[in-house]
Amino acid sequence: QQQVKQSPQSLIVQKGGISIINCAYENTAFDYFPWYQQFPGKGPALLIAIRPDVSEKKEGRFTISFNKSAKQFSLHIMDSQPGDSATYFCAASMNNNAGNMLTFGGGTRLMVKP
Amino acid sequence: EADIYQTPRYLVIGTGKKITLECSQTMGHDKMYWYQQDPGMELHLIHYSYGVNSTEKGDLSSESTVSRIRTEHFPLTLESARPSHTSQYLCASSELTVGGIQFFGPGTRLTVL
Repeated sequence: QQQVKQSPQSLIVQKGGISIINCAYENTAFDYFPWYQQFPGKGPALLIAIRPDVSEKKEGRFTISFNKSAKQFSLHIMDSQPGDSATYFCAASMNNNAGNMLTFGGGTRLMVKP
Repeated sequence: EADIYQTPRYLVIGTGKKITLECSQTMGHDKMYWYQQDPGMELHLIHYSYGVNSTEKGDLSSESTVSRIRTEHFPLTLESARPSHTSQYLCASSELTVGGIQFFGPGTRLTVL
């Protein structure tokens, strides 16, 4: 059972547009929601993260919106640039004895056209 | 510079060979992980470790084995490689504290002929 569902699988956006990637989770015990960015030939790297006590977090052009009641969170990339073309993963983890085990979404391949 | 390293980056071998994928980190992290990444992108946790002499199996069953003799080193071994083992293998590390960021290595792309 996939605990974190991510959509869309792929996304094409024009330069300057807004990229939106959505994730939904099942387990209400999750309390940490990071987004990772992966370029070809590289490992994923943390992009931005949010905890459920806030509904939005912004870092530069990247914003996470979080809806606790709907168990959904999304990544918005404003003024998308060709350099943002990468695979994006949402993830979730919970505060338990296992520490910071991450459950990843299936990934979204973003292409930003010049 | 604190980082996480994986070698080799690419490996092409024949069926039945024994291989070891190396992973080292210089961040002093207690926790380390191995993920298998499909061509379709999805990341599957196959092994993790809380520290020296600790190894645990992840969500995805794997024929590989791991060891953790030193904090900084977490190698993955396949005793007899098969074409079904062809994949991208990613190593990661984090602090033991809850919510600690996972730092990933660049990955090893393994092809078994």
